[in-house]
Amino acid sequence: QVQLQESGPGLVKPSQTLSLTCTVSGGSISSGSYYWSWIRQPAGKGLEWIGRIYTSGSTNYNPSLKSRVTISVDTSKNQFSLKLSSVTAADTAVYYCARVQGGGLAPFDYWGQGTLVTVSS
Amino acid sequence: DIQLTQSPSFLSASVGDRVTITCRASQGISSYLAWYQQKPGKAPKLLIYAASTLQSGVPSRFSGSGSGTEFTLTISSLQPEDFATYYCQHAGTFGQGTKVEIK
Repeated sequence: QVQLQESGPGLVKPSQTLSLTCTVSGGSISSGSYYWSWIRQPAGKGLEWIGRIYTSGSTNYNPSLKSRVTISVDTSKNQFSLKLSSVTAADTAVYYCARVQGGGLAPFDYWGQGTLVTVSS
Repeated sequence: DIQLTQSPSFLSASVGDRVTITCRASQGISSYLAWYQQKPGKAPKLLIYAASTLQSGVPSRFSGSGSGTEFTLTISSLQPEDFATYYCQHAGTFGQGTKVEIK
């Protein structure tokens, strides 16, 4: 059974860089045809896709966040990571990591439990 | 960019009711649509993918239909554990959500 777990600071200062890691257990992050994604959800609001990284290392980002987002993978640790630069209060949200199995139009079949990141001085 | 519009945004229903939620895409997306259920404080849970395929372990009272630009999620007999928010999704786009509350 695949499990995903987000980790990282729960509080980030404005203008700084938000950094989160998703650890994958129960399977190799580099085997198979998977997209590893980040999705966020401000309190009381809907879901916003941030971006994804493919098993090969190629990435796709939400155009609205593209200039500030970097997603990378560390296969030796079975982890992938999110960096979001120049954060503001609008980036306060629960951040989820999730897996897509198969093609880019496949659904998110496994999710982490989510981690709350607050942007505040 | 493709937009997904769900209706209604809010739905009040009773246990045992048949409930239908609609998701409309701004352009044709074939059958590449998924539905998720989210309860407070929890991650979304995949219910249906490819518009009508039930994810393993999901009760058969949930069903999905549609293709192209119009899709529906139906709960045939609403159960107490079904009160939640439901989202449709295509690629990197989510609908705005439909909250199902107890009448």
